[in-house]
Amino acid sequence: SQQGEEDPQALSIQEGENATMNCSYKTSINNLQWYRQNSGRGLVHLILIRSNEREKHSGRLRVTLDTSKKSSSLLITASRAADTASYFCATDAALGNAGNMLTFGGGTRLMVKP
Amino acid sequence: DTGVSQNPRHKITKRGQNVTFRCDPISEHNRLYWYRQTLGQGPEFLTYFQNEAQLEKSRLLSDRFSAERPKGSFSTLEIQRTEQGDSAMYLCASSLAANEQYFGPGTRLTVT
Repeated sequence: SQQGEEDPQALSIQEGENATMNCSYKTSINNLQWYRQNSGRGLVHLILIRSNEREKHSGRLRVTLDTSKKSSSLLITASRAADTASYFCATDAALGNAGNMLTFGGGTRLMVKP
Repeated sequence: DTGVSQNPRHKITKRGQNVTFRCDPISEHNRLYWYRQTLGQGPEFLTYFQNEAQLEKSRLLSDRFSAERPKGSFSTLEIQRTEQGDSAMYLCASSLAANEQYFGPGTRLTVT
């Protein structure tokens, strides 16, 4: 079962606009990670935000985390056609044996039109 | 290229055949994970190794699925007696301790 739920499921914007994707989850987490996936390809790690952090930036990416609401958002500023991809949030929860696993949502399919 | 690599990239097999996929993690990473992704969905965790020890395997989809990491480096995922429902992308990831997981390009399995 998937813990995270991304919203919206699909988003279409014009190049230069900002894109905001939201993620909600259900249980306590160690950290939350955002990934990008181009069609038919592997996942590319974008950013990790730990449970004691509220906001993190990386280039044109801004991630927020609200553990009280169990939600996160990913903002891509000044979008480019090359940003067209699926974006997934993944919550990282500890396994009982000192391991960790990622639980992914269903993703947001972003299309940036040139 | 020092990223995670997976072989083969594509595998087409007939129902009932066995298949084996290989994953080579980033060399200094001690943790290795297998996930499965079906069309339109996010990846689903299957199993996890720390060095050569398989510490979590309860989420493997059935007893037809097994994984090994014999020397704590590369790993293999085997599916015996494949079924059409096994058709999916199989992804491998590695990490150093409980940090970012870096994914390989995946092996796309098609069972006919």
